[in-house]
Amino acid sequence: DGGITQSPKYLFRKEGQNVTLSCEQNLNHDAMYWYRQDPGQGLRLIYYSQIVNDFQKGDIAEGYSVSREKKESFPLTVTSAQKNPTAFYLCASRPGVRTGANVLTFGAGSRLTVL
Amino acid sequence: EDQVTQSPEALRLQEGESSSLNCSYTVSGLRGLFWYRQDPGKGPEFLFTLYSAGEEKEKERLKATLTKKESFLHITAPKPEDSATYLCAVRDAGNMLTFGGGTRLMVKP
Repeated sequence: DGGITQSPKYLFRKEGQNVTLSCEQNLNHDAMYWYRQDPGQGLRLIYYSQIVNDFQKGDIAEGYSVSREKKESFPLTVTSAQKNPTAFYLCASRPGVRTGANVLTFGAGSRLTVL
Repeated sequence: EDQVTQSPEALRLQEGESSSLNCSYTVSGLRGLFWYRQDPGKGPEFLFTLYSAGEEKEKERLKATLTKKESFLHITAPKPEDSATYLCAVRDAGNMLTFGGGTRLMVKP
């Protein structure tokens, strides 16, 4: 079955450590996204990529970094510069801007807790 | 700046008690309004897309409607399995997506 796989599902980090969240899709989608979700708040866009080897900052990119070396993969690194990293992180994808297909498909999420 | 406000933040219903969730929005050039369902600890699942005022879509006990300023998600005779958080989002002319804070629905048997 096609879909988006996020790993790990749960992650604990000590302050000052960088961590990387994995996102892999087998939907052949061009565009991929990372969102952060905090309790009672809407999803906020961290980074997005519309094509391999290209990505743009979203609304809350500070303290995060991404790469897009392969179409299927869009890992997110939460760096020690992110002041409040404890949150639920969601990866999403969609076919591509040119197709006009607007619906995002989401992964199951990764919950990061800073100890 | 696009804004999406969902109300109420939380809603408790008895099984069979119909109600509506509201999504008010301001957007520069609406290119679609989306409803998603999110179960605890999981990613959102797509429900509906609405593109123009007056449009309606239905799926089982859910019906989504759209005006120029808001969308409603009507739930008819809900069941406990309808309990979830319902998210609304709008896409603007620049192809950017803005989400609301969600409505947490709890349906008691």
